[in-house]
Amino acid sequence: KQEVTQIPAALSVPEGENLVLNCSFTDSAIYNLQWFRQDPGKGLTSLLLIQSSQREQTSGRLNASLDKSSGRSTLYIAASQPGDSATYLCAVTAGNQFYFGTGTSLTVIP
Amino acid sequence: GAGVSQSPSNKVTEKGKDVELRCDPISGHTALYWYRQSLGQGLEFLIYFQGNSAPDKSGLPSDRFSAERTGGSVSTLTIQRTQQEDSAVYLCASSLREGPYEQYFGPGTRLTVT
Repeated sequence: KQEVTQIPAALSVPEGENLVLNCSFTDSAIYNLQWFRQDPGKGLTSLLLIQSSQREQTSGRLNASLDKSSGRSTLYIAASQPGDSATYLCAVTAGNQFYFGTGTSLTVIP
Repeated sequence: GAGVSQSPSNKVTEKGKDVELRCDPISGHTALYWYRQSLGQGLEFLIYFQGNSAPDKSGLPSDRFSAERTGGSVSTLTIQRTQQEDSAVYLCASSLREGPYEQYFGPGTRLTVT
């Protein structure tokens, strides 16, 4: 069974810093990997989707990479802002199922 | 356009009662997923619908849980004889088709069983 792990569980950084969130998965047979953010009391917002044949995706200040063979993905956030404070989840798709990590809680301090 | 909507946003119920949670997917999306997120836990897959195919129920935790999807659109997740451990946020997502397509999530229903 696919297991998805996110490290660190929580991260606190001063505004303006660049940061990296990590996601690892145990089975490289995936369709894609998706990064989400979750704000308190709200649903998930999709940030980036990387197909299994791709190495990275970029959107604004966000860059996600995928190394399928090693079972790893990173989400890079440049020039962090207080509005980036949220929980970030990664999920891999395998078959018809999504497997989620437990998330990284990010706090950006003004 | 309109995203995935869920109702109610919050539901408090007494132990032993039945509850129904509703999900309206994005129009035209044929795949629909239910998940739950318990406090301090990751997201847990519950059930998946794709078009008119039989649903993938492999994630349902017990036979107290069931779901329907009528007309290939709206879905209802029913929990019978609720228990306190059923308290969680129940999230619905839809995607254009099954497989490697981006999932769009609703805001969730927060269920509290007292």
